[in-house]
Amino acid sequence: AQSVAQPEDQVNVAEGNPLTVKCTYSVSGNPYLFWYVQYPNRGLQFLLKYITGDNLVKGSYGFEAEFNKSQTSFHLKKPSALVSDSALYFCAVRGGQKVTFGTGTKLQVIP
Amino acid sequence: DTEVTQTPKHLVMGMTNKKSLKCEQHMGHRAMYWYKQKAKKPPELMFVYSYEKLSINESVPSRFSPECPNSSLLNLHLHALQPEDSALYLCASSPGIVRAKDQPQHFGDGTRLSIL
Repeated sequence: AQSVAQPEDQVNVAEGNPLTVKCTYSVSGNPYLFWYVQYPNRGLQFLLKYITGDNLVKGSYGFEAEFNKSQTSFHLKKPSALVSDSALYFCAVRGGQKVTFGTGTKLQVIP
Repeated sequence: DTEVTQTPKHLVMGMTNKKSLKCEQHMGHRAMYWYKQKAKKPPELMFVYSYEKLSINESVPSRFSPECPNSSLLNLHLHALQPEDSALYLCASSPGIVRAKDQPQHFGDGTRLSIL
């Protein structure tokens, strides 16, 4: 069985500061990991993915994620947060036919 | 703009009504999904279609009936719903399921369903 954990329900960060949203995973075999963002009254939007290769993955809107196999983590990062980054972020892992989502982390960027 | 289009955006219905949710994509994707999402919670998988055939049913009550008329369309027929079925219903698509599992899902903006 596969699983994803997002330990923080909410992350607050000041505008211009770096941000990190944490994710750990459990899956048998090679992990297929994704980050999605959801703005109010919208569907989920794909940000980035890790399949294989470089441990630092770059994605949309200046986001990147660091894959760490030994710690089974896939943390989302951004060097300088914007107020417009405030949203709900989901980490996800794919195994077989199903995608398993984490519980989500609300990111609040404070002006 | 999203590449997966869902209609209607909002739907209010009584417990005895019959209604349908529609989803359309023109990306040539062969896998389509229905999810149910409650406020501030992750999406919960309901159904998966692969090449227009039902591949996964996550033990969804029979008052929800999916249909995939062709590779671009996905419907969710609703009948005799309960108040706890009020939620955001999301449709998603992806190139495939097993062979393309490194590809992300593309989501529509959902239908917000309220059951009176």
